[in-house]
Amino acid sequence: GAVVSQHPSWVICKSGTSVKIECRSLDFQATTMFWYRQFPKQSLMLMATSNEGSKATYEQGVEKDKFLINHASLTLSTLTVTSAHPEDSSFYICSAVAVRDTEAFFGQGTRLTVV
Amino acid sequence: SQQGEEDPQALSIQEGENATMNCSYKTSINNLQWYRQNSGRGLVHLILIRSNEREKHSGRLRVTLDTSKKSSSLLITASRAADTASYFCATDRTSGSRLTFGEGTQLTVNP
Repeated sequence: GAVVSQHPSWVICKSGTSVKIECRSLDFQATTMFWYRQFPKQSLMLMATSNEGSKATYEQGVEKDKFLINHASLTLSTLTVTSAHPEDSSFYICSAVAVRDTEAFFGQGTRLTVV
Repeated sequence: SQQGEEDPQALSIQEGENATMNCSYKTSINNLQWYRQNSGRGLVHLILIRSNEREKHSGRLRVTLDTSKKSSSLLITASRAADTASYFCATDRTSGSRLTFGEGTQLTVNP
């Protein structure tokens, strides 16, 4: 199947700093990428939908100025957590959907810990 | 908010037994997918069933879909200890669109 690479797999940062997470589709072009957040023992919650070349669409309650999403190419989307706080500590997962396809392929996830 | 509900929330069985997990959803769907997640890891796609399909098989997996009841089930036959993981259903309303995940079932298969 198609491969989506997410980097880094884990990161520890200090409060107030920013962290960038990358999501790359390695062997296909993804017109749409999705960013999810998952707290321990909970399900995945969609944060935003990222379309190549346009602004991301954020879900209700997700601060767009805090979670900056850039989808500059058909193979790369980035999520930047700005001014991170301990409550932002979570597992962040991206997924990508190929052009005219149905199945979403997921990255390995990024474990963010803010201390 | 998550629209999907799964039951049971946790399931513990012995190796060799079958495991059945159920998922319900609230709105009309285009596709329903099942994913597996090992602790702290990414998601692995297991199987996709379209809204016009009623049953699908893949290896030891069998998925059913009842759109009249807005529910789906995932059956894992002859379970193995390596099947221990969380299992999530996810629905979309159009192909390639956002997925809405269920709450998940934590399956433990004891050797």
